Amino acid sequence: KNQVEQSPQSLIILEGKNCTLQCNYTVSPFSNLRWYKQDTGRGPVSLTIMTFSENTKSNGRYTATLDADTKQSSLHITASQLSDSASYICVVSRMNNAGNMLTFGGGTRLMVKP
Amino acid sequence: EAGVAQSPRYKIIEKRQSVAFWCNPISGHATLYWYQQILGQGPKLLIQFQNNGVVDDSQLPKDRFSAERLKGVDSTLKIQPAKLEDSAVYLCASSPYKGTEAFFGQGTRLTVV
Repeated sequence: KNQVEQSPQSLIILEGKNCTLQCNYTVSPFSNLRWYKQDTGRGPVSLTIMTFSENTKSNGRYTATLDADTKQSSLHITASQLSDSASYICVVSRMNNAGNMLTFGGGTRLMVKP
Repeated sequence: EAGVAQSPRYKIIEKRQSVAFWCNPISGHATLYWYQQILGQGPKLLIQFQNNGVVDDSQLPKDRFSAERLKGVDSTLKIQPAKLEDSAVYLCASSPYKGTEAFFGQGTRLTVV
């Protein structure tokens, strides 16, 4: 069964601190993995995309890693800011003739406190 | 480039009533998704269209939910009759054919009382 599990479910950190969010998946065949940020009351927005051959990718203070052998990914946020408070959703894609099939994780709700 | 448009933003209805949501995807995007997001959870796929054909509707409660994309452009999602557990945000997303990124609208927040 195609599944994406995320941990922790929620996290509270102080402004300026770092944190790491985890994503494990069983989606097959694997096409790519994206981390989305979802602000309250908004739709998810893509932060990074990881393909099979990529181990690490950075986007500003966000760094994503992928271990395709163990089917794990992480999202590391450096020097957190209040605006980082949001849900972070891991989404794994598999491609077939019908197009791009997405499997969503449950998300990690991050709260950054001053 | 205009994003994915959804309406209405908010809707409150009584149980057993009907409701419809509308989505206009990004121009030229062949794939359109409808997701249900219950508070505190990740989005759950309801239905995926490729142009005007259904690719996946395995998680759509077909006894009460229906969706169409008649001309392969905009789409409507209907619930009839609504139940209390249908209270959620309904997200529409679109992507180019075999595109790797789904672009989301702001969603419609449905409250069933």
